[in-house]
Amino acid sequence: SQTIHQWPATLVQPVGSPLSLECTVEGTSNPNLYWYRQAAGRGLQLLFYSVGIGQISSEVPQNLSASRPQDRQFILSSKKLLLSDSGFYLCAWSTRGLSEKLFFGSGTQLSVL
Amino acid sequence: QQQVKQSPQSLIVQKGGISIINCAYENTAFDYFPWYQQFPGKGPALLIAIRPDVSEKKEGRFTISFNKSAKQFSLHIMDSQPGDSATYFCAATNSGNTPLVFGKGTRLSVIA
Repeated sequence: SQTIHQWPATLVQPVGSPLSLECTVEGTSNPNLYWYRQAAGRGLQLLFYSVGIGQISSEVPQNLSASRPQDRQFILSSKKLLLSDSGFYLCAWSTRGLSEKLFFGSGTQLSVL
Repeated sequence: QQQVKQSPQSLIVQKGGISIINCAYENTAFDYFPWYQQFPGKGPALLIAIRPDVSEKKEGRFTISFNKSAKQFSLHIMDSQPGDSATYFCAATNSGNTPLVFGKGTRLSVIA
């Protein structure tokens, strides 16, 4: 069966510090991978998605970047965190060519202070 | 426009009552309409979904009603229970590799 791992579960970082969130998927090959942010426990904002290694689509220009160094690994990064980067970050995957069914990780609650 | 508009933002329902959440879309190319359920501190999970070739789909206490001409679809939760208290998101896509477009979510509280 397929599983998605996302860590850490919670993170408190000072303003201006770097960020690296990692997500890995097991039990499937060539998945589509996604990073979402959820602010104030509400809407899901798509940040980045990837249909293959090295292929990243950015939905919202901001202080964040994403990379996909391996087929089942997706990394969200920032060089300098802003207060506005606080939120609940969710990684998700779907079968290649079937973006309709998303499987989400358990999320990372990021607090930038 | 790639928007999905969801209402209400929040909903309080008595235990045993019917919860109704509505969504409207604009892109007529959308051909898959899922609902996701999210409990606090967890990632959303697929609850139920429908394609435009049917007007209704039922899974247990959860039903999607779909109106293609009005470009609207809704989630009905029959006999609502406190365990149904969660945030519900509607979404839409035209399949393939195009990411889902999500509504802004509805926070449902079922009170005893």
